[in-house]
Amino acid sequence: DAGVTQSPTHLIKTRGQQVTLRCSPISGHKSVSWYQQVLGQGPQFIFQYYEKEERGRGNFPDRFSARQFPNYSSELNVNALLLGDSALYLCASSPWRGNTEAFFGQGTRLTVV
Amino acid sequence: AQTVTQSQPEMSVQEAETVTLSCTYDTSESNYYLFWYKQPPSRQMILVIRQEAYKQQNATENRFSVNFQKAAKSFSLKISDSQLGDTAMYFCAFMNWGQGAQKLVFGQGTRLTINP
Repeated sequence: DAGVTQSPTHLIKTRGQQVTLRCSPISGHKSVSWYQQVLGQGPQFIFQYYEKEERGRGNFPDRFSARQFPNYSSELNVNALLLGDSALYLCASSPWRGNTEAFFGQGTRLTVV
Repeated sequence: AQTVTQSQPEMSVQEAETVTLSCTYDTSESNYYLFWYKQPPSRQMILVIRQEAYKQQNATENRFSVNFQKAAKSFSLKISDSQLGDTAMYFCAFMNWGQGAQKLVFGQGTRLTINP
């Protein structure tokens, strides 16, 4: 079975631009979470979606938004990019909201110049 | 708010040695889960071991074991017979269901190098 897949793997954007990152969870998993990992730090929680509804949001500005589709895939959007948004963005899926094991993708490395 | 602290930014040991990584956390919750994740250069977070706070018995997974001290809010990871493939960043993480979200709170990580 395929694991959590994220696309693209890397991308470079200019300050002020908008970016969309994509995540496909493991087949059968209904919960998707997004994390931001700045270089040299641990990941920080951005969003969790379960059954296409937002279930939790971390301490991130409104420039960050996400959605989950009927097939449980998810997109993370970041508007008005800042240099500080440069990071590894990780997606994690789990079978259902109460399950404690999160399976991570390999991440999208975003560089803002 | 929950916090997780890993006080060892880097550690280095020889192959086949035993190494212990430290982690402390702060929470007012009584029911929660603790994890150790491994992040190799491939960037993918891999679950190493999980501990339920309500269980007194320390979790063990092959060469990996934890020392969970709930009163002290301490959660260390012991790697026995270390192997070159254990070289990676290791993150301690905490989870509860705050406000209905399944949210992991990570420490800053420990870079572990296993030398041949």
